[in-house]
Amino acid sequence: DVKVTQSSRYLVKRTGEKVFLECVQDMDHENMFWYRQDPGLGLRLIYFSYDVKMKEKGDIPEGYSVSREKKERFSLILESASTNQTSMYLCASSFVAATSNQPQHFGDGTRLSIL
Amino acid sequence: GEDVEQSLFLSVREGDSSVINCTYTDSSSTYLYWYKQEPGAGLQLLTYIFSNMDMKQDQRLTVLLNKKDKHLSLRIADTQTGDSAIYFCAENQAGTALIFGKGTTLSVSS
Repeated sequence: DVKVTQSSRYLVKRTGEKVFLECVQDMDHENMFWYRQDPGLGLRLIYFSYDVKMKEKGDIPEGYSVSREKKERFSLILESASTNQTSMYLCASSFVAATSNQPQHFGDGTRLSIL
Repeated sequence: GEDVEQSLFLSVREGDSSVINCTYTDSSSTYLYWYKQEPGAGLQLLTYIFSNMDMKQDQRLTVLLNKKDKHLSLRIADTQTGDSAIYFCAENQAGTALIFGKGTTLSVSS
């Protein structure tokens, strides 16, 4: 079974702090994704990566950056946390097939509160 | 922008069938997915259907695809209280990312 592990289930930080959310997958997947989930807004893509050191902006990249130094690890960075970044953050990964996209597999999420 | 549309809530009694509907946007999407999210958890892949299929059955789950109307449905037979969750429909448009609906909250009463 695919395992996507997010380092924290719950996290509380202060406004202005630099925050790191870590995600590790064990299936040698090429693609990795970060989403945030808010009530009434569903899932919104922040960033994704299709290879080591490669990244692409999603729908809402402002205020975030990412790092992919190793294939199995994808980090989301809040450069200067603000209260409007309080949310549930979900990491996902997927395998790349030659002809089509493959399903994404999700971690359990990190519920981040910015005070 | 183009959205994947789902109704927000569905309430059923234990033992009944549940049908969750979804309208997607891109006729070139090759796969369509259903995910389940239990409270406080991430998304679990339930099932998916390739776009050249009309139907897929997996135990209590039946997925129906109407490509002409861009309509996808998930039927859960003999719904149980453990099926209470949020169900997300998703499509893969051109590119790597999936486009998700906002989710349908299924509430099952005993």
